[in-house]
Amino acid sequence: NAGVTQTPKFQVLKTGQSMTLQCAQDMNHNSMYWYRQDPGMGLRLIYYSASEGTTDKGEVPNGYNVSRLNKREFSLRLESAAPSQTSVYFCASSPRRDSGGVYEQYFGPGTRLTVT
Amino acid sequence: LAKTTQPISMDSYEGQEVNITCSHNNIATNDYITWYQQFPSQGPRFIIQGYKTKVTNEVASLFIPADRKSSTLSLPRVSLSDTAVYYCLVPAGRRALTFGSGTRLQVQP
Repeated sequence: NAGVTQTPKFQVLKTGQSMTLQCAQDMNHNSMYWYRQDPGMGLRLIYYSASEGTTDKGEVPNGYNVSRLNKREFSLRLESAAPSQTSVYFCASSPRRDSGGVYEQYFGPGTRLTVT
Repeated sequence: LAKTTQPISMDSYEGQEVNITCSHNNIATNDYITWYQQFPSQGPRFIIQGYKTKVTNEVASLFIPADRKSSTLSLPRVSLSDTAVYYCLVPAGRRALTFGSGTRLQVQP
């Protein structure tokens, strides 16, 4: 049981390049999330998927797109990377997402992205 | 929308009890309060969650007063390995969760 896995672990991009961050979970969770964490800051929600087939914007969605490929996989795409997107990206999953935030989230190890 | 406020940092010594308080004045009726711990270069890890009064697990206790406008995470007898950032979370509407900047706890020998 690997939990939440993310690939790649590190990536360097030039401004304007595109890339997709991959996330997979093997816990049969319904909900999945993408966060970014800038140095010395807390996590900010980019997008989430409450269940397979649905996605919704979080706090900072501009410049990103997501795909919930199936129940296990949730990818984050940067179409045209910018230096402001230099950050650590975390994927998370939870059994379910409801308005009370009852279900705990399980986080992956993160992807460190640098855009030059 | 519910927003949380925590101290930016705290210092403690090994063996002491540490209490981190979080204010969430606009918490909604159905919202739970959740605390996460994050070590450097790792994703956050769930510590404890509660709705009211007191919750205790093998790691920590969570105290929530009757008005639920604040909560206190209590870490008994901290060790050096408890040095981390601690986040208090309350759902902030449909686009939540918002982690905020957290509290950096430094435990010294």
